[in-house]
Amino acid sequence: NAGVTQTPKFQVLKTGQSMTLQCAQDMNHEYMSWYRQDPGMGLRLIHYSVGAGITDQGEVPNGYNVSRSTTEDFPLRLLSAAPSQTSVYFCASRGGDCATDTQYFGPGTRLTVL
Amino acid sequence: GDSVTQMEGPVTLSEEAFLTINCTYTATGYPSLFWYVQYPGEGLQLLLKATKADDKGSNKGFEATYRKETTSFHLEKGSVQVSDSAVYFCALSDGDTGRRALTFGSGTRLQVQP
Repeated sequence: NAGVTQTPKFQVLKTGQSMTLQCAQDMNHEYMSWYRQDPGMGLRLIHYSVGAGITDQGEVPNGYNVSRSTTEDFPLRLLSAAPSQTSVYFCASRGGDCATDTQYFGPGTRLTVL
Repeated sequence: GDSVTQMEGPVTLSEEAFLTINCTYTATGYPSLFWYVQYPGEGLQLLLKATKADDKGSNKGFEATYRKETTSFHLEKGSVQVSDSAVYFCALSDGDTGRRALTFGSGTRLQVQP
């Protein structure tokens, strides 16, 4: 049981380039989400999904797209990277009922946009 | 909207000292409250949680009590170790919405000196 996995661990992009951050979980969790972590600001929600085929915006969605074609995978796409997107990105998942409201986090992707 | 406020760090303590990290929150409904820990270079790990008023979460010598009357969830440990050096995040879950996402405080860095 690998939990939540993310790839790549590190990435450097030039302004305007596009890329996809991968996230997968093997716990059959309905809920998945993406956060970004910036110094002094904690983690902020980018996008989330409550099940396959269903996604919605969080606090800071601009510049990011997501899709959820399967329960396991929840990729985050940067269509045209900007220096303001330099950050550490975390994917998380949790089960569907209130009794299991613990979120499990992946190891993170450190992204630098030059 | 929901928010979490943590005491600013860094907090520097000597080994075996008593630790308190303050956390207060603003939320509608009845959120669950969490403390997550992030060790250097790693992702977030759940440290403890409480799901209703007056619940006490505990793990690895850390404790926090859900105080609805003061909207607080302060983290305490009686005797810290060097291995406790990390960043600690207070968070709440938006249990009354469908997002099942977390709202985080800005994090408090703890450094324990031998």
